[in-house]
Amino acid sequence: KAGVTQTPRYLIKTRGQQVTLSCSPISGHRSVSWYQQTPGQGLQFLFEYFSETQRNKGNFPGRFSGRQFSNSRSEMNVSTLELGDSALYLCASSSRTKGTQYFGPGTRLLVL
Amino acid sequence: GIQVEQSPPDLILQEGANSTLRCNFSDSVNNLQWFHQNPWGQLINLFYIPSGTKQNGRLSATTVATERYSLLYISSSQTTDSGVYFCAVGWSNNDMRFGAGTRLTVKP
Repeated sequence: KAGVTQTPRYLIKTRGQQVTLSCSPISGHRSVSWYQQTPGQGLQFLFEYFSETQRNKGNFPGRFSGRQFSNSRSEMNVSTLELGDSALYLCASSSRTKGTQYFGPGTRLLVL
Repeated sequence: GIQVEQSPPDLILQEGANSTLRCNFSDSVNNLQWFHQNPWGQLINLFYIPSGTKQNGRLSATTVATERYSLLYISSSQTTDSGVYFCAVGWSNNDMRFGAGTRLTVKP
């Protein structure tokens, strides 16, 4: 089975712009979670989708949003980018809502 | 929220040595996972271990849920074991809290 894929792998944006990141889970997995990793805050949970429903959201402002499609692919969107949004964004898929998570390679976002 | 503490923060070993990494958590959980992040940022799941003991080759893990800690054992370490090891705990995959990690460096 192919692993979790994320596109794009690298992205440079300027403050005030918006960005959309994409995640394709392992075939058959219906749970997709998103995480932000920064040197200062570490790995932080953003949100999780299961069968197109957002089941939970971490402590992030409303500028961070996401969605999941019927084929389980997920996108996350960050509007009005700030310098502090520079981070590695990781998505993980799982076959169940509680169980082994498989991570993608991540998208490195740099906001200038 | 739940607090996750990993120790030691940094660990330097000679190739062939054994090591034990610890993860303490402040509340009861039923979802605990260990991950290895390589230098390129890829997170690899090592164990899903909310309780009990598991082994996979040179790696093994034990979680004592009643005492709120988990241990990751690495035996006969290799340079490819270098990276950061994270434990993550929660009740479901939508509330996982990651520790700050243990940075392991294995020298040849």
